[in-house]
Amino acid sequence: AQTVTQSQPEMSVQEAETVTLSCTYDTSESDYYLFWYKQPPSRQMILVIRQEAYKQQNATENRFSVNFQKAAKSFSLKISDSQLGDAAMYFCAYPSYSGAGSYQLTFGKGTKLSVIP
Amino acid sequence: EADIYQTPRYLVIGTGKKITLECSQTMGHDKMYWYQQDPGMELHLIHYSYGVNSTEKGDLSSESTVSRIRTEHFPLTLESARPSHTSQYLCASSESVGAVDTEAFFGQGTRLTVV
Repeated sequence: AQTVTQSQPEMSVQEAETVTLSCTYDTSESDYYLFWYKQPPSRQMILVIRQEAYKQQNATENRFSVNFQKAAKSFSLKISDSQLGDAAMYFCAYPSYSGAGSYQLTFGKGTKLSVIP
Repeated sequence: EADIYQTPRYLVIGTGKKITLECSQTMGHDKMYWYQQDPGMELHLIHYSYGVNSTEKGDLSSESTVSRIRTEHFPLTLESARPSHTSQYLCASSESVGAVDTEAFFGQGTRLTVV
């Protein structure tokens, strides 16, 4: 079975500090995307960052960056200069193969990030 | 800003009632999904669709049903609501580049309470 594992149910970070959320996944595919989503309390799920597996370079979006290790099937999210608005649930996601040429998004169980003022 | 809408945002309903949760997207995406999520918890896929007249059950067994008569519309129906159906329901859509899924866009969710 193709799975996505987030081993940290909860994390906390001091405001302005850096935190890294981990994610590992299992796949036999060679070309795919990986995603980190953010879900603030009682608010909409939004995409934080996307990584294309065939690209060697790690994706970066402002204070958010990834450390993508394809061989290790690892996809961690680094948040620099953490802000109070970064407090949320973070989900790692991967489009896993579901048969007959079809894919469906598979999410990890999430990491709840708290930001301490 | 994502063009995917869910209505209602909040719903409190009595046991045994029939309800339909609406989800519409204006992005022309073929793929649409319904997830069930308890507050602060993981997402569970309950239904998905790869296009018109295509619906499949997800990993989590659900008593709900879905339909996909139009590309933009993917409603979820509960014929007889029960307290165990109390949860948040998230709708999403995504596009593909060839066989590879690009990002999914989520609606704001419907928080359902069955009393």
